[in-house]
Amino acid sequence: AQTVTQSQPEMSVQEAETVTLSCTYDTSESNYYLFWYKQPPSRQMILVIRQEAYKQQNATENRFSVNFQKAAKSFSLKISDSQLGDTAMYFCAHGSNFGNEKLTFGTGTRLTIIP
Amino acid sequence: EAGVAQSPRYKIIEKRQSVAFWCNPISGHATLYWYQQILGQGPKLLIQFQNNGVVDDSQLPKDRFSAERLKGVDSTLKIQPAKLEDSAVYLCASSPGANRRKTEAFFGQGTRLTVV
Repeated sequence: AQTVTQSQPEMSVQEAETVTLSCTYDTSESNYYLFWYKQPPSRQMILVIRQEAYKQQNATENRFSVNFQKAAKSFSLKISDSQLGDTAMYFCAHGSNFGNEKLTFGTGTRLTIIP
Repeated sequence: EAGVAQSPRYKIIEKRQSVAFWCNPISGHATLYWYQQILGQGPKLLIQFQNNGVVDDSQLPKDRFSAERLKGVDSTLKIQPAKLEDSAVYLCASSPGANRRKTEAFFGQGTRLTVV
């Protein structure tokens, strides 16, 4: 079974600064996917960024980038030039590439961007 | 493209009553998921359908929860009878399916259930 751990329940940062959210995971699979989802107060989970485990290059999406360390089973999210709209819960998730493709989520980090 | 639709958005019931949630996935998506998200926790998978078949229901409390996706399109999740600990947000998600190019799951806005 997969497990995902987010050790930072809450974080806050000034607008325009950079923040890094941590995530570690455990899996016996050799090929899998990792995701960061954002959940604003509207409750809808929105995909922020996706990393395929067989790719060595770290994924980037505009102001969002990841630091994927496969051997250490670490998958952190960096948000650059943070904006007020980034305020939300952020969930790290593991996705199996085989069989049922279910997502296993961490407990989340509540990120607050301070004006 | 329309997203994942869920209803109702909010529901308050008394313990031991029954409740049902409805989900309509993105058109053409073969895989449908129901997740339970208790306050302060990450979503936990309750059940996963591939078309109209159940792929994984290992974490579904089958003595009180049931779900169906009879025609392989929309789905209903039912709780009967409800307990206080069932208070949570119930999220529905869909994805194209295992034989398609791997992509993320798309989520609906969820139903917030309060059991009093």
